[in-house]
Amino acid sequence: GAGVSQSPRYKVAKRGQDVALRCDPISGHVSLFWYQQALGQGPEFLTYFQNEAQLDKSGLPSDRFFAERPEGSVSTLKIQRTQQEDSAVYLCASSPHAGGGETQYFGPGTRLLVL
Amino acid sequence: GESVGLHLPTLSVQEGDNSIINCAYSNSASDYFIWYKQESGKGPQFIIDIRSNMDKRQGQRVTVLLNKTVKHLSLQIAATQPGDSAVYFCAEKNSGYALNFGKGTSLLVTP
Repeated sequence: GAGVSQSPRYKVAKRGQDVALRCDPISGHVSLFWYQQALGQGPEFLTYFQNEAQLDKSGLPSDRFFAERPEGSVSTLKIQRTQQEDSAVYLCASSPHAGGGETQYFGPGTRLLVL
Repeated sequence: GESVGLHLPTLSVQEGDNSIINCAYSNSASDYFIWYKQESGKGPQFIIDIRSNMDKRQGQRVTVLLNKTVKHLSLQIAATQPGDSAVYFCAEKNSGYALNFGKGTSLLVTP
């Protein structure tokens, strides 16, 4: 069956540009997560959605980061005025369980490089 | 703050040997633990999980051991194969929504 998909897989942006990263979770999954993974590090939590509600955005590093999931399925992570330190892999994960956590199924990630 | 960490950043084993990857955690409130495998260019893939009311759980060729007394988690892979080469992460969950990942151990299986 289809897993979590993310697009684009790779994105090169000039510093100061805005970018939008898309996540298509597994159909019917209630929970959706965004993580940021720096090179050689483990994923770090950014934000969590339960259906269309953003219940936790405590991991977003600055107000330049914004995420939405308006219809409770596809989600978009937007980064405004990108900086070099935003370069990382952005992972999306979904879970059939409400309340987050537990078994999360990850997408392949979007590798963002800010020049 | 509290964190999850790994003892060894890299591990090299010969094909057919057993592998043991260790992880220390410091949040005593954590009640759920997961091991993920991440191959180059891919997202983390679920391997096995364990709840805090258990001390051992077995899957296909993998076993996770949990020692709550010393806050230690380990992943044992039996008869390691070249396809097991990847970075392995332990992750823990407490009362929040997110998984808290460690830094990862790179496993290299040599023929």
